[in-house]
Amino acid sequence: ILNVEQSPQSLHVQEGDSTNFTCSFPSSNFYALHWYRWETAKSPEALFVMTLNGDEKKKGRISATLNTKEGYSYLYIKGSQPEDSATYLCAFDAGNMLTFGGGTRLMVKP
Amino acid sequence: GAGVSQSPSNKVTEKGKDVELRCDPISGHTALYWYRQSLGQGLEFLIYFQGNSAPDKSGLPSDRFSAERTGGSVSTLTIQRTQQEDSAVYLCASSETSGGSPYEQYFGPGTRLTVT
Repeated sequence: ILNVEQSPQSLHVQEGDSTNFTCSFPSSNFYALHWYRWETAKSPEALFVMTLNGDEKKKGRISATLNTKEGYSYLYIKGSQPEDSATYLCAFDAGNMLTFGGGTRLMVKP
Repeated sequence: GAGVSQSPSNKVTEKGKDVELRCDPISGHTALYWYRQSLGQGLEFLIYFQGNSAPDKSGLPSDRFSAERTGGSVSTLTIQRTQQEDSAVYLCASSETSGGSPYEQYFGPGTRLTVT
């Protein structure tokens, strides 16, 4: 059983705050690390697929970094907005299936 | 273009009955995945298909669960003799392929199953 951990489980921030959360995963059999955003009553939406150690990806105010040697990835949100409120999931990709972490639930207060 | 669709969106069934959940992947996507999220739990992998074959069935929780995919397109997840612990949101996802370059998975809206 693969252990994919996310922290914190939930996070409350004020509009305009910047925030980050962590995904830790096995450092062996690594193929890719995925980040998804899951808003209530919607489908999970892919944010990033990361493969290379040291990789950094950015989409608007959201960015992510990857360290495959130590087995962690950070997701950063700059200047949080209420519409960023969602659960952010990371998933470890061993080449065929995804193993998801438990998610970080972000709530941004206006 | 059309995304992944699932039907029904909600299903309430009595304990012991069989249910079928359907997934229509994005056209051209060869890989298809089933996950479920039980209350208070994370997303749990159930099974994936590459084309019509399922190389990995290890995630199916019991022999009451089965899945098939025909024509490299539509997939059906069948749960026989449903139990209350089967209550969950069942999500389907598809991607361009499995293996090779890692591709994003595109998720459907899910089927919420409630077993009474």
